[in-house]
Amino acid sequence: DQQVKQNSPSLSVQEGRISILNCDYTNSMFDYFLWYKKYPAEGPTFLISISSIKDKNEDGRFTVFLNKSAKHLSLHIVPSQPGDSAVYFCASNTGNQFYFGTGTSLTVIP
Amino acid sequence: DGGITQSPKYLFRKEGQNVTLSCEQNLNHDAMYWYRQDPGQGLRLIYYSQIVNDFQKGDIAEGYSVSREKKESFPLTVTSAQKNPTAFYLCATGAYGANVLTFGAGSRLTVL
Repeated sequence: DQQVKQNSPSLSVQEGRISILNCDYTNSMFDYFLWYKKYPAEGPTFLISISSIKDKNEDGRFTVFLNKSAKHLSLHIVPSQPGDSAVYFCASNTGNQFYFGTGTSLTVIP
Repeated sequence: DGGITQSPKYLFRKEGQNVTLSCEQNLNHDAMYWYRQDPGQGLRLIYYSQIVNDFQKGDIAEGYSVSREKKESFPLTVTSAQKNPTAFYLCATGAYGANVLTFGAGSRLTVL
């Protein structure tokens, strides 16, 4: 049973525009949410996170929004750059158990 | 330089052979994890360990075995019982009470 879901396998965006990646979760016990970025044949790298007590967290071009009532979070990248092209995973944890979505492949077109 | 070292980066195996993937960390993290990545399936947990000499099965532990004899090391053995072993394997660590995992660079296993 997939507790973290990313329903869009891929997304293409023009350079300079906004990229919005979405994630849904089912477990109301999740209290921390993360986004990872992954290039082919490399390990994922941590990008940004948000605690369940917040609804927004911003770090430079990256902003994560959390809507607890809808069990939904999104990652906004503004402006998008070609180097942002990668697979993005959302994840959450309860204690030491981490759950990952299936990933969204972002392509930023120059 | 703190980090996680996975080896080998690429590995080829004949059917019926066991193979062991290495994961070493010098981050002094308590928890260590093994994930498997397949196209379109995200990251699936194989095994994890929170302390030395203790480990728990994840969602897809069948055909795999692990050991945690020291804090720095968490090797994964892919046995001949694993029906579809060709995949990208990722090791990760987490500090006690932390909410973020740090990943190694991964090992690509191909069964010929």
